[in-house]
Amino acid sequence: AQSVTQLGSHVSVSEGALVLLRCNYSSSVPPYLFWYVQYPNQGLQLLLKYTSAATLVKGINGFEAEFKKSETSFHLTKPSAHMSDAAEYFCAVSPTNAGKSTFGDGTTLTVKP
Amino acid sequence: DAGVTQSPTHLIKTRGQQVTLRCSPISGHKSVSWYQQVLGQGPQFIFQYYEKEERGRGNFPDRFSARQFPNYSSELNVNALLLGDSALYLCASSLSAGNTEAFFGQGTRLTVV
Repeated sequence: AQSVTQLGSHVSVSEGALVLLRCNYSSSVPPYLFWYVQYPNQGLQLLLKYTSAATLVKGINGFEAEFKKSETSFHLTKPSAHMSDAAEYFCAVSPTNAGKSTFGDGTTLTVKP
Repeated sequence: DAGVTQSPTHLIKTRGQQVTLRCSPISGHKSVSWYQQVLGQGPQFIFQYYEKEERGRGNFPDRFSARQFPNYSSELNVNALLLGDSALYLCASSLSAGNTEAFFGQGTRLTVV
């Protein structure tokens, strides 16, 4: 069985500041890991994914995440926050494929001017 | 190319009624997954279909059923609606059941009164 814990349901940063959204997972097999972004009343958009290649994964919009097996973590970072980054972010894990994922409860990112 | 399309976008049903939600995957994609997203929570996996066969089922009661058609579109049916079924229902499509990338539609907002 898989599970995902996103630490911090709400994160607030100033525009230009570092964004750090935390995700810890549990999985009985080597997992696939994903970060998605969701804007109000919309579906999910894939930011990046880890599929057992490089442990540092770069995604869209300047986001990246590092897979740390020893810490069972897959934290999402962005060096400089932009107002347009304000949204809900979800971490997800799957042992098999992206269509059968277990999601965390999400982190709402607020960006202050 | 069109993305994943879901219909209807919103609907309101009464407790005890039945509802059918529809999803058209991206052209060329043969796998469709359904998720339920209750307000304030992450999406929960309901079903995955590939080549018209069920490839996975989440922890949902038998009131939930789905099918996939020869053109790879899919329907999700929910019988005997409960107030707790009120949620955003998301459809995701992938090239295959083993693919590491899923594309989400904008969802159907179901309200049960």
